[in-house]
Amino acid sequence: DAKTTQPTSMDCAEGRAANLPCNHSTISGNEYVYWYRQIHSQGPQYIIHGLKNNETNEMASLIITEDRKSSTLILPHATLRDTAVYYCIVRSPNSGGSNYKLTFGKGTLLTVNP
Amino acid sequence: NAGVMQNPRHLVRRRGQEARLRCSPMKGHSHVYWYRQLPEEGLKFMVYLQKENIIDESGMPKERFSAEFPKEGPSILRIQQVVRGDSAAYFCASSDYTGNTEAFFGQGTRLTVV
Repeated sequence: DAKTTQPTSMDCAEGRAANLPCNHSTISGNEYVYWYRQIHSQGPQYIIHGLKNNETNEMASLIITEDRKSSTLILPHATLRDTAVYYCIVRSPNSGGSNYKLTFGKGTLLTVNP
Repeated sequence: NAGVMQNPRHLVRRRGQEARLRCSPMKGHSHVYWYRQLPEEGLKFMVYLQKENIIDESGMPKERFSAEFPKEGPSILRIQQVVRGDSAAYFCASSDYTGNTEAFFGQGTRLTVV
């Protein structure tokens, strides 16, 4: 799986949009970008994933650049409960090989401030 | 629909004792994954199981650790003769099939070896 690079930490004001970047310059054509987050002392929580088109769900939006070398997770109206470590993971969708493994890096610690 | 259930949430064992961690996947999920998170570190893949089969145990320590997912009942991660270095959070995840699907995580079992 391709390697990802994320900032170590970010701050965001409550009620504002949080934009979390991720670089994945070695991503392959069939690899998806997944985002998970881990709130302190809890299990990782799936947020969203995408291949090339922008995606949106009730939690967040995922913007993937046209060359797919980077992406941005957007939390449109951050709340204090969004304070967590956010992980960007690149993963192959194929059922062969070891695509089922999620390789967690260090992620970005997002702190939402009142 | 209950999510992934892990128990116990907290487990304290003395050095040399056995630890048994249980994971009940989400309803309808037949794929189970175990991850370990050492203090101040990211999650690391340990083992992937389907019903009655170990598919990939490449992340499991060679000794003292074993996992099973019987036809009936939860998946069990078993650690024999625990040592202080086994103290960590152990997370279980499940999915309905491998490939382009998200895995859902439980709240983890925090093992403390004293």
